[in-house]
Amino acid sequence: EAGVAQSPRYKIIEKRQSVAFWCNPISGHATLYWYQQILGQGPKLLIQFQNNGVVDDSQLPKDRFSAERLKGVDSTLKIQPAKLEDSAVYLCASSLVFSGTETQYFGPGTRLLVL
Amino acid sequence: AQKVTQAQTEISVVEKEDVTLDCVYETRDTTYYLFWYKQPPSGELVFLIRRNSFDEQNEISGRYSWNFQKSTSSFNFTITASQVVDSAVYFCALGTGNQFYFGTGTSLTVIP
Repeated sequence: EAGVAQSPRYKIIEKRQSVAFWCNPISGHATLYWYQQILGQGPKLLIQFQNNGVVDDSQLPKDRFSAERLKGVDSTLKIQPAKLEDSAVYLCASSLVFSGTETQYFGPGTRLLVL
Repeated sequence: AQKVTQAQTEISVVEKEDVTLDCVYETRDTTYYLFWYKQPPSGELVFLIRRNSFDEQNEISGRYSWNFQKSTSSFNFTITASQVVDSAVYFCALGTGNQFYFGTGTSLTVIP
């Protein structure tokens, strides 16, 4: 069974530029999560989807971050414009159903460096 | 309030030593799950174990073992005969309701 796929693996951009990350969850997983992990810290949830609907985006900086999961499968996270403090690893995860008690399976992450 | 505390920020051990990573959680929910993940230098979070709040049996998987004690709200993780490949950041997490809470992680370095 294929795991969670993410691309690109690495991205370097200048501040104020835009960037987009892509995630394809494990087949059949209804719930998809985007996390931001700053160096030395634990993952911080940005947004979670149940199928193609948003169930929690309370920690998403909506003035610059957006995310969509239009067909309930893969998802895109965008940052526009990027700031220096957005430098982090962006992790995508998926779980079978929407529940905090379900195991989340993570992708390899995208390392973003904003210069 | 839900919370996961991993008091050990960094641990270094010499290869073949045993090491225990501590995890203390807080929740008022009676139904919850506890998880451990490993994050090697490559960056991917690798799922290790999931235990529910009604199952306090210790679990062993190869060199890994987990000790769940509700009386002390702890879910500690022991690596026996550590190896260099065990070097990673280990995260404990609590899942309850529709929320998932990560600890701040413990960075383990195994010295050859």
